[in-house]
Amino acid sequence: EIVLTQSPGTLSLSPGERATLSCRASQSVSSSYLAWYQQKPGQAPRLLIYGASSRATGIPDRFSGSGSGTDFTLTISRLEPEDFAVYYCQQYGSSPPGYTFGQGTKLEIK
Amino acid sequence: QVQLQQWGAGLLKPSETLSLTCAVYGGSFSGYYWSWIRQPPGKGLEWIGEINHSGSTNYNPSLKSRVTISVDTSKNQFSLKLSSVTAADTAVYYCAKVLQADYYYMDVWGKGTTVTVSS
Repeated sequence: EIVLTQSPGTLSLSPGERATLSCRASQSVSSSYLAWYQQKPGQAPRLLIYGASSRATGIPDRFSGSGSGTDFTLTISRLEPEDFAVYYCQQYGSSPPGYTFGQGTKLEIK
Repeated sequence: QVQLQQWGAGLLKPSETLSLTCAVYGGSFSGYYWSWIRQPPGKGLEWIGEINHSGSTNYNPSLKSRVTISVDTSKNQFSLKLSSVTAADTAVYYCAKVLQADYYYMDVWGKGTTVTVSS
């Protein structure tokens, strides 16, 4: 089973700053199988990025994803107040088929 | 635009069976997988399993012995049963639409159902 480790656990930044969130896999992951989600308190997760770098419908272009192999990054270029939330990476594995999530990064207002 | 509406019992006693249903509105039911994911209080997300319209399933190995996911294509619904629950199964349970083509991800989520297991 592939384990996803996200860092940092908590990131404290101010609006307007740049956020860089990391997701590291215990073994190589196909970029096509790597996604990022945002979750706010009391809400379901929302898809941000799929295929490691493709933005989902309606996601602002300040969100971008990159990476390959075992190292993936979610970047928020200029933080807006509504971006403070918890972010999860997720991967699909085919043997056995299924999904795993990272433990999450909490992005909080400094 | 697909929407998911989920429901089920919110309070269970240890050893009982959790039962949740998710209805799909506003889009195609076939051609996708349909998943259940849970989130214990204050913790991260755990994938439980998935099913497609023809009934093909995949389960999280850690839960496989207790999980059954079924589908009712006549109603565009899918359901989760988790047997022999304990306090460790207390969580918010989400249903989600899964795209499995060139990419694999969950693009539509239900609002979640809080399930508490307590004697």
